[in-house]
Amino acid sequence: NAGVTQTPKFRVLKTGQSMTLLCAQDMNHEYMYWYRQDPGMGLRLIHYSVGEGTTAKGEVPDGYNVSRLKKQNFLLGLESAAPSQTSVYFCASGFQSLTIPAGANVLTFGAGSRLTVL
Amino acid sequence: AQSVTQPDIHITVSEGASLELRCNYSYGATPYLFWYVQSPGQGLQLLLKYFSGDTLVQGIKGFEAEFKRSQSSFNLRKPSVHWSDAAEYFCASTLDNYGQNFVFGPGTRLSVLP
Repeated sequence: NAGVTQTPKFRVLKTGQSMTLLCAQDMNHEYMYWYRQDPGMGLRLIHYSVGEGTTAKGEVPDGYNVSRLKKQNFLLGLESAAPSQTSVYFCASGFQSLTIPAGANVLTFGAGSRLTVL
Repeated sequence: AQSVTQPDIHITVSEGASLELRCNYSYGATPYLFWYVQSPGQGLQLLLKYFSGDTLVQGIKGFEAEFKRSQSSFNLRKPSVHWSDAAEYFCASTLDNYGQNFVFGPGTRLSVLP
């Protein structure tokens, strides 16, 4: 059981280039999320999806786009990369547990993708 | 706005010593609370969670956390630290059932001296 898999793990881009990060989960989770992690700032939510075909903006969506064409995949795109997007990106998936009080969501994270924009 | 603070950016302890990592939240109501650990080059792994009931929560790897409503705190503790515990620790919270409303603290980096 692979859990949440992110590709690529590392990438270096030049300003203005585009790229796509892929997140794949094999746990049949409904919810998927993209976060960025910057020193001293914890994790900040970029975009999320509550089901196949749906996406929504998180806290820091500018400069990013996402798609969820298949339930198991959540893609994060940068159309024109900027140095401010240098970060470590984490994908997470989640489900609402029927066994936890109030059905709280539980998140499983991928190993991260380190992106450097020169 | 919801916020989670971790006052200590970096903590160093000797192997075998006890550990306490601090976490404070600011909400009007009691949130769901979590501690995650991130080992170098890895994603975040859930250590433990608090939803309601007993305020002392046991987690994996010998960690526990205590919820104190009066202090708006959810501090993480371990009685005897192992070298493999060196990592970054994140406190997180949410007021509802939806992961998109998770708020993460800035993290505390733990170093362990042999």
